[in-house]
Amino acid sequence: DAKTTQPDSMESTEGETVHLPCSHATISGNEYIYWYRQVPLQGPEYVTHGLQQNTTNSMAFLAIASDRKSSTLILPHVSLRDAAVYHCILSTSNTGYQNFYFGKGTSLTVIP
Amino acid sequence: DPKIIQKPKYLVAVTGSEKILICEQYLGHNAMYWYRQSAKKPLEFMFSYSYQKLMDNQTASSRFQPQSSKKNHLDLQITALKPDDSATYFCASSQDYRARSDYTFGSGTRLLVI
Repeated sequence: DAKTTQPDSMESTEGETVHLPCSHATISGNEYIYWYRQVPLQGPEYVTHGLQQNTTNSMAFLAIASDRKSSTLILPHVSLRDAAVYHCILSTSNTGYQNFYFGKGTSLTVIP
Repeated sequence: DPKIIQKPKYLVAVTGSEKILICEQYLGHNAMYWYRQSAKKPLEFMFSYSYQKLMDNQTASSRFQPQSSKKNHLDLQITALKPDDSATYFCASSQDYRARSDYTFGSGTRLLVI
């Protein structure tokens, strides 16, 4: 069961900064927040993940609310290549057999 | 070079037949997984393996049987195929079943059952 809520779709213009929201009101203390993205005809691609602190890498910045009930994936200066479905997923890292349960995600359209 | 190879890329099968989907990973990972994505539905977890041992099975039907002949192989045998089995099947791997940032997906096998 997907334990996250995301908007079905969002639209942005090339060069803008995009904020993709995710709500996870029932998150447990040991659950990590993962973001993956998927383009048509490809498998999902890892974007970033975090537990409590904001994180940043070459792809995105992940802002996690202080109560951890929501997070926002921030994509700076989006390009056409960033158009994809973005999935926000919760996953426990230190127990066995936990696997990713995907929802529908947010379909990001980037306009030239 | 692709790190996870799935073969074939496309597959058409007749109802009632049996097919094997191939997955090989060259990442040195010890855990491998199968997911399924039907048209307009979310990606659905099916199986997880660690060191060639089944760890989790979320697939109700016994018609789906993973097979691991080598540590870096996890094939998926599907018997008595039905049109509802039509989907894209993704293989994935990670260093171990707890490591997540290196969780990598293949590009999928698109199965059509007619």
